[in-house]
Amino acid sequence: QLQLQESGPGLVNPSGTLSLTCTVSGGSIGSSHYWGWIRQPPGKGLEWIGSIYYSGDTYYNPSLKSRVTISVDTSKNRFSLNLSSVTAADTAVYYCARRAVSAAMGWFDPWGQGALVTVSS
Amino acid sequence: EIVLTQSPGTLSLSPGERATLSCRASQSFSSTYLAWYQQKPGQAPRLLISGASSRATGIPDRFSGGGSGTDFTLTISRLEPEDFAVYYCQQYGRSPYTFGQGTKLEIK
Repeated sequence: QLQLQESGPGLVNPSGTLSLTCTVSGGSIGSSHYWGWIRQPPGKGLEWIGSIYYSGDTYYNPSLKSRVTISVDTSKNRFSLNLSSVTAADTAVYYCARRAVSAAMGWFDPWGQGALVTVSS
Repeated sequence: EIVLTQSPGTLSLSPGERATLSCRASQSFSSTYLAWYQQKPGQAPRLLISGASSRATGIPDRFSGGGSGTDFTLTISRLEPEDFAVYYCQQYGRSPYTFGQGTKLEIK
């Protein structure tokens, strides 16, 4: 059974860079899927951040594109998120999730359990 | 960007009742690209429905989805205690992929 697990610092300084890693187990990150990041501010809704293919092909939400970098490490079966110049508005639970390459099957499933990242000094 | 608006914001019902949740899109798109998720406190969202009407693996048949164009619905035929949660719709046909703001289904 495929499982995803987020990891990284839970506290980031304002203007710093938020860095998270999602480790995939029970399957290969090199399969025909995209791997994505979605975030949820406390008490609010869900926002797609971006996705990556195992080849390194990426696409991002335009609202965050200037600050986001998603990378993949196939040797370690994991992918990572970097979000720069963070503010308190970036405080959220960050989820990683899988989606199919085919647009017609492009829902997110499964999801990781989520990692709360707080931006504060 | 396709904006999804869910209604109502909060729905108060009793176990055994029928729930109907709405998701309206700012522009028309194929029902192929509409999903519903359930989220309970402290948990990640769980896929319920894809392609507007196809239940995900393990999802009880009391959950059903429908709609087309700009109007989609999630129906729970007979509410069980474990169904009280927040529900989100999502479109995955056009980037950026967007979610509705959620409907909270609470016990009356």
